[in-house]
Amino acid sequence: EPEVTQTPSHQVTQMGQEVILRCVPISNHLYFYWYRQILGQKVEFLVSFYNNEISEKSEIFDDQFSVERPDGSNFTLKIRSTKLEDSAMYFCASRGEMNTEAFFGQGTRLTVV
Amino acid sequence: KQEVTQIPAALSVPEGENLVLNCSFTDSAIYNLQWFRQDPGKGLTSLLLIQSSQREQTSGRLNASLDKSSGRSTLYIAASQPGDSATYLCAVGNSGGYQKVTFGTGTKLQVIP
Repeated sequence: EPEVTQTPSHQVTQMGQEVILRCVPISNHLYFYWYRQILGQKVEFLVSFYNNEISEKSEIFDDQFSVERPDGSNFTLKIRSTKLEDSAMYFCASRGEMNTEAFFGQGTRLTVV
Repeated sequence: KQEVTQIPAALSVPEGENLVLNCSFTDSAIYNLQWFRQDPGKGLTSLLLIQSSQREQTSGRLNASLDKSSGRSTLYIAASQPGDSATYLCAVGNSGGYQKVTFGTGTKLQVIP
């Protein structure tokens, strides 16, 4: 069964460093998303990406964040100058057509120390 | 703006009991609703997906219902087992825009042997 794959499963970084979280969406999917879950809180929407551009973003997704689909298979989330409060589980999701199920990856746990 | 609320926030039951988890959402313009399970520190496991045109879905001991007009869904777990202990998340697929998913606050379930 096709699945969304995220790497790494856990990443530890020093405060102020840049990190790139990687996702491989399901191959024929068109819509891509990043979500974030701070420990003990609910899963929150960060950004959606369609047709090689950001289609929607939340207020959380500020200039510190960027997304890219560099090669037609990977979908990345870059966080510049990480802060302690960026520590969270980050989930990638993808969807085929409109009105179809969104499939979620197993997440990358980011710890900023 | 879609808001998804789950009641109760936490639930502790003895093994063998049948139980109901509740989810309510404020905007009925949804195309599907999904129930996930999340173990501590782990990713999201999809349990059931209900399309907006459906009233319920069943998988094993789980049954989920959807009343879109009233903005409610329930997850029924029959004959609960200690292995069911986890946090259960309700997530709605919003019809508008690029169809991001809005997650609920979660119900933390503990099944006592």
